[in-house]
Amino acid sequence: AQKVTQAQTEISVVEKEDVTLDCVYETRDTTYYLFWYKQPPSGELVFLIRRNSFDEQNEISGRYSWNFQKSTSSFNFTITASQVVDSAVYFCALNSLGDAGNMLTFGGGTRLMVKP
Amino acid sequence: SAVISQKPSRDICQRGTSLTIQCQVDSQVTMMFWYRQQPGQSLTLIATANQGSEATYESGFVIDKFPISRPNLTFSTLTVSNMSPEDSSIYLCSVRQASNYGYTFGSGTRLTVV
Repeated sequence: AQKVTQAQTEISVVEKEDVTLDCVYETRDTTYYLFWYKQPPSGELVFLIRRNSFDEQNEISGRYSWNFQKSTSSFNFTITASQVVDSAVYFCALNSLGDAGNMLTFGGGTRLMVKP
Repeated sequence: SAVISQKPSRDICQRGTSLTIQCQVDSQVTMMFWYRQQPGQSLTLIATANQGSEATYESGFVIDKFPISRPNLTFSTLTVSNMSPEDSSIYLCSVRQASNYGYTFGSGTRLTVV
């Protein structure tokens, strides 16, 4: 079975603050993929990143960075110098290729509110 | 990556009626998925739809309530049958791309049942 936990249901920050969204996952498989998606108020899911289990390199994309640590089964997401446009619900998701087949399992989501 | 056109984007429906949601993909994909997102909640997989076979439903979802068609590798429909206010949700289709294990989502259908 696979599971994703996003312990932070809501985070509120003031613009220009840095914020980290936590994601902890569970899987028995050695081969799996981790994802982050952004869901703005309009409802669509915007893909942010995919990471496979064999690549523990951290990634930076502009103001976004991701810290993947297999030792703690975590895939945390940091927004540097947050902006009001970053306000959205962020989902961490997992696809492990063993028992779960092809399904994508989502965490509960973290609602980020960035205030001006 | 694949581009998905999902229709309708939103609808308000009377209880007891049915709504069919369509997803058109701009390339052939083997696997399509349908998700439900209840208000303030995360996404829950309803079923996996493969072309040429019956959809596989997750626990808690049944074919009579959520019939799915997958006539070819670029198109699928999900019907929400005999709707009640509890069916008010966002419904999203998704495809998995075999080339890079990425998942693309449609823009969602925001359904309100009154």
